[in-house]
Amino acid sequence: EPEVTQTPSHQVTQMGQEVILRCVPISNHLYFYWYRQILGQKVEFLVSFYNNEISEKSEIFDDQFSVERPDGSNFTLKIRSTKLEDSAMYFCASSDQGSSYEQYFGPGTRLTVT
Amino acid sequence: KQEVTQIPAALSVPEGENLVLNCSFTDSAIYNLQWFRQDPGKGLTSLLLIQSSQREQTSGRLNASLDKSSGRSTLYIAASQPGDSATYLCAVDSGSQGNLIFGKGTKLSVKP
Repeated sequence: EPEVTQTPSHQVTQMGQEVILRCVPISNHLYFYWYRQILGQKVEFLVSFYNNEISEKSEIFDDQFSVERPDGSNFTLKIRSTKLEDSAMYFCASSDQGSSYEQYFGPGTRLTVT
Repeated sequence: KQEVTQIPAALSVPEGENLVLNCSFTDSAIYNLQWFRQDPGKGLTSLLLIQSSQREQTSGRLNASLDKSSGRSTLYIAASQPGDSATYLCAVDSGSQGNLIFGKGTKLSVKP
C-alpha cells in the first residue's frame, strides 16, 4: 500500500542552524501539507502546497520557514535559523483532492534544537 | 476561529467493552472530519473520513458519526482489544485547501 515517507526520523541541530526535512508524498497525490506537534500539545497546521505554490499557511509559518517541491517526488520543509521552540515532531501529509479527501500522514521527523 | 475539543482526555476500559470517544467543534461550517490513531512516538494513521454531507462511516469495529449542526462527532469502538490502545485524534477541515484543525486527543488504554 502506498505511504508517505519522511527523512530523517530524528534530527538534532544547534540553535541558529538551518535544517531541511524531507518527505516523499504518495505518488499520485496533488496536495501536500506540513504539520507539527510539540511534545504534549495538539497537532498544528503549518502550510499547504498545491500546483507548486503555497495554498495556505498558518501564523506559525513565518519567514524562517519555506517549502519546496524540488522534483517530482520530494517535498521539503526548510527552517532557516532554528530556535529552541522549533523542537517538535514534524509531519508531512498528502491527499489527492484537498478538502474532499483523506490526508495520509508520514511517520514524522523528530527535530531537537539544542 | 475553529476549535476542536475531545472528551475524555484519557479512558481506561477492560478488554471487550464497547466505548465512545467524543469530539466537538465550534464552527459547523466544515468540509469533512477525520479520525486518526496515534501510537506513542509515531505518526498518524487515518481511521475514518466523514464528508460534511454524510452522517456516519464504518470500518470494521469502528463507527464514526457526524452531527454538523450541533458540532459533534463520536467514534464508537466495538469489542475493544488491547491492540486498540493508542491516542485517538479528531480533526476538522474548515478551509478550502484542506488544512486540518486537531483536537488534543483521547488516550485510550484497553486492559487485558
